[in-house]
Amino acid sequence: GESVGLHLPTLSVQEGDNSIINCAYSNSASDYFIWYKQESGKGPQFIIDIRSNMDKRQGQRVTVLLNKTVKHLSLQIAATQPGDSAVYFCADVFSGSARQLTFGSGTQLTVLP
Amino acid sequence: KAGVTQTPRYLIKTRGQQVTLSCSPISGHRSVSWYQQTPGQGLQFLFEYFSETQRNKGNFPGRFSGRQFSNSRSEMNVSTLELGDSALYLCASSFGQGAYEQYFGPGTRLTVT
Repeated sequence: GESVGLHLPTLSVQEGDNSIINCAYSNSASDYFIWYKQESGKGPQFIIDIRSNMDKRQGQRVTVLLNKTVKHLSLQIAATQPGDSAVYFCADVFSGSARQLTFGSGTQLTVLP
Repeated sequence: KAGVTQTPRYLIKTRGQQVTLSCSPISGHRSVSWYQQTPGQGLQFLFEYFSETQRNKGNFPGRFSGRQFSNSRSEMNVSTLELGDSALYLCASSFGQGAYEQYFGPGTRLTVT
């Protein structure tokens, strides 16, 4: 069935460095992808999204790249800050599933001082 | 604008009991989705309500049910609780049905003993 996964369960980066969090998906019919950030004790927070007809989208300090050929999604965080420490989830939406979000397993990002 | 609120934040129940969780969406949002989050299974979609009607349902047993009121507030109920129902239950609201950009509440931590 459809699934969304993440490459690494944990990632540690030095403060100020750039972070790259990867995600793979299996449903080639997915038409929308979202990245969420979840801090301890809180619900997921929307970061950035991208539609399947795009290959790159930039936000404030974040960039999402979509490679539909290999069904790969990445989130790049520039100049990583301590406040970026959280679990990051990618989610995909397939319109055939009544636009239900399917979440990956998450990557715990730890920012080292 | 106030965010999504969920009550209670923490709950301890005994196996076999039932539980009702409440969610108040962001003002103006008419769609409410529920998710279960566990360390083993991650974030899994339970169901979505829009205009007091269940529009979409995930792969959960019938013990999990929900409803939505005319003011868009939603409740979910789990009957005959099992130990495996221990999880963080998250509610997310969005403006339209099946809308991609969902805003999550802090969740209700349910522990079944």
